[in-house]
Amino acid sequence: GDSVTQMEGPVTLSEEAFLTINCTYTATGYPSLFWYVQYPGEGLQLLLKATKADDKGSNKGFEATYRKETTSFHLEKGSVQVSDSAVYFCALSDNQGGKLIFGQGTELSVKP
Amino acid sequence: DTAVSQTPKYLVTQMGNDKSIKCEQNLGHDTMYWYKQDSKKFLKIMFSYNNKELIINETVPNRFSPKSPDKAHLNLHINSLELGDSAVYFCASRMGGPGWTEAFFGQGTRLTVV
Repeated sequence: GDSVTQMEGPVTLSEEAFLTINCTYTATGYPSLFWYVQYPGEGLQLLLKATKADDKGSNKGFEATYRKETTSFHLEKGSVQVSDSAVYFCALSDNQGGKLIFGQGTELSVKP
Repeated sequence: DTAVSQTPKYLVTQMGNDKSIKCEQNLGHDTMYWYKQDSKKFLKIMFSYNNKELIINETVPNRFSPKSPDKAHLNLHINSLELGDSAVYFCASRMGGPGWTEAFFGQGTRLTVV
């Protein structure tokens, strides 16, 4: 079945450091891909999305490119802030049954 | 004006009890979900409804029963609660059929079974 794999956390960075969180997926067909963020004690919020190969999603300085050839959707940000500390989830949506499948989440902690 | 709202936010109950969690969305979406998030933050899909019809039913104990009285509501009833049911339960909704749209999530219900 479809699945998403993210890099293990927690990831600890200093403020203004470069961030990469790796995400790879397995899917039949052509899924849509998403990054969600969960701040402590809150629900999930959509961070960005891409619906087809080579699309780049971007929001709040974060970006990710849908790479069909490597089945990847890595999240990047050039300069993280303390306020970016959260858990980040990569997800895919199949185009058949409507399932939204999540990776295991990567906790990011940014220190001043 | 919360888009997806769940009640209650916290629920503490004893083993063996029956409890319900309610979810409502005011986004006009026709697909709704229940997810369970465990203590390691892993999110597992439990159920999905589209226009009040069950379309996804993952391997979930039959003590869990979803009910969708209309497409804006999806409630979760749990019978004979067990310690392992302790988790955060999230409701979500999305527009249209399967595919490209993102899902909107509620704030979660933290269920603690003692």
